[in-house]
Amino acid sequence: GAVVSQHPSRVICKSGTSVKIECRSLDFQATTMFWYRQFPKQSLMLMATSNEGSKATYEQGVEKDKFLINHASLTLSTLTVTSAHPEDSSFYICSASLLLASERDTQYFGPGTRLTVL
Amino acid sequence: GENVEQHPSTLSVQEGDSAVIKCTYSDSASNYFPWYKQELGKRPQLIIDIRSNVGEKKDQRIAVTLNKTAKHFSLHITETQPEDSAVYFCAARETYGGATNKLIFGTGTLLAVQP
Repeated sequence: GAVVSQHPSRVICKSGTSVKIECRSLDFQATTMFWYRQFPKQSLMLMATSNEGSKATYEQGVEKDKFLINHASLTLSTLTVTSAHPEDSSFYICSASLLLASERDTQYFGPGTRLTVL
Repeated sequence: GENVEQHPSTLSVQEGDSAVIKCTYSDSASNYFPWYKQELGKRPQLIIDIRSNVGEKKDQRIAVTLNKTAKHFSLHITETQPEDSAVYFCAARETYGGATNKLIFGTGTLLAVQP
């Protein structure tokens, strides 16, 4: 149980294009979904927290107009990297936490999306 | 806000030995502390977690201890195996600002188990 999928797993795009990444909780309803960015050999950097039906909460220094987050249902959140540039190249990982009150703080991670911007 | 520090950054042990990774946190109100294992290019996998109402939790070869007074928690892996080699992250749930289940992660420990 508690499986999170992410699509695509890898994407290569040209500079200036937009890329959409999907995060789905497959066998549970997620109260909240989180988007992280991870550079090689570094820790997970939280970008934003997303609750179904409301606006995402972005961390300091993360541009909300650059990284658009939509959380349309309890099982799907999307991250769109708009007008991508080479410096946006990174590993993007989502996570989801369970709706159950007793385990609301446990986060389960997706497999990640490797974005390369040429 | 919460701040989590993790040590060591790299750890090399012989197969069969024990490995210990330590983390400290700053927010005394934090009440949930998970540990994740991440293999190269893969997703972080939850391996064990502990809540602030207990001091120790064990799952086979893995154990976590929590000292709330000192605000530190540790991961213990016994009888290490080569497949334990990975990066391990500790985390603490941030409580600053009220209702949030945001996790603050440590910087990671690269564990290498030598056969």
